[in-house]
Amino acid sequence: SQQGEEDPQALSIQEGENATMNCSYKTSINNLQWYRQNSGRGLVHLILIRSNEREKHSGRLRVTLDTSKKSSSLLITASRAADTASYFCATDPSGTYKYIFGTGTRLKVLA
Amino acid sequence: DGGITQSPKYLFRKEGQNVTLSCEQNLNHDAMYWYRQDPGQGLRLIYYSQIVNDFQKGDIAEGYSVSREKKESFPLTVTSAQKNPTAFYLCASSPPGGRYEQYFGPGTRLTVT
Repeated sequence: SQQGEEDPQALSIQEGENATMNCSYKTSINNLQWYRQNSGRGLVHLILIRSNEREKHSGRLRVTLDTSKKSSSLLITASRAADTASYFCATDPSGTYKYIFGTGTRLKVLA
Repeated sequence: DGGITQSPKYLFRKEGQNVTLSCEQNLNHDAMYWYRQDPGQGLRLIYYSQIVNDFQKGDIAEGYSVSREKKESFPLTVTSAQKNPTAFYLCASSPPGGRYEQYFGPGTRLTVT
């Protein structure tokens, strides 16, 4: 079962613009994480936000979490061509020891 | 260097054959996971293990088997019972109990013809 659904499925922007992608989930969670995947590679962890946090920053990344709406957003500011990748959210539903990944947003940053 | 390795990177098998994918980590993590990724899709959990000699089925365990005899190793066997085994397989590890980031291997692309 897919817990998370990212929106949009694909996003194409110009270098220097900001990219925003959203994630919705279904059940209560302990935390929410965002990962990046370059084509044909493993995933790389970007940022983790706990269920009692509302916003978190890491470099050019800003993540928000709204547990009342069961949604999160990832903002990448001043995007670069190297940011071209797929981005996934992952949640660990309360009471479980597993992670459930969303369907991903494919970001393309045009130079 | 600490990390998680998967081998081989590409694997080709004939239909009806079992095949075992390797996953090794030297991060001293208790928890390990196997995911399957199909083209343009997210990751689906096959099996996970929180501790040596213990593992649980994920969402799509049918046709797969695992073992966890050592902390460092979590091999996945794709059996002939798996109806559509061609996919990209990713292994990950983390400290136990959820709530932590996962570290991923580079993946194995399995093609069955």
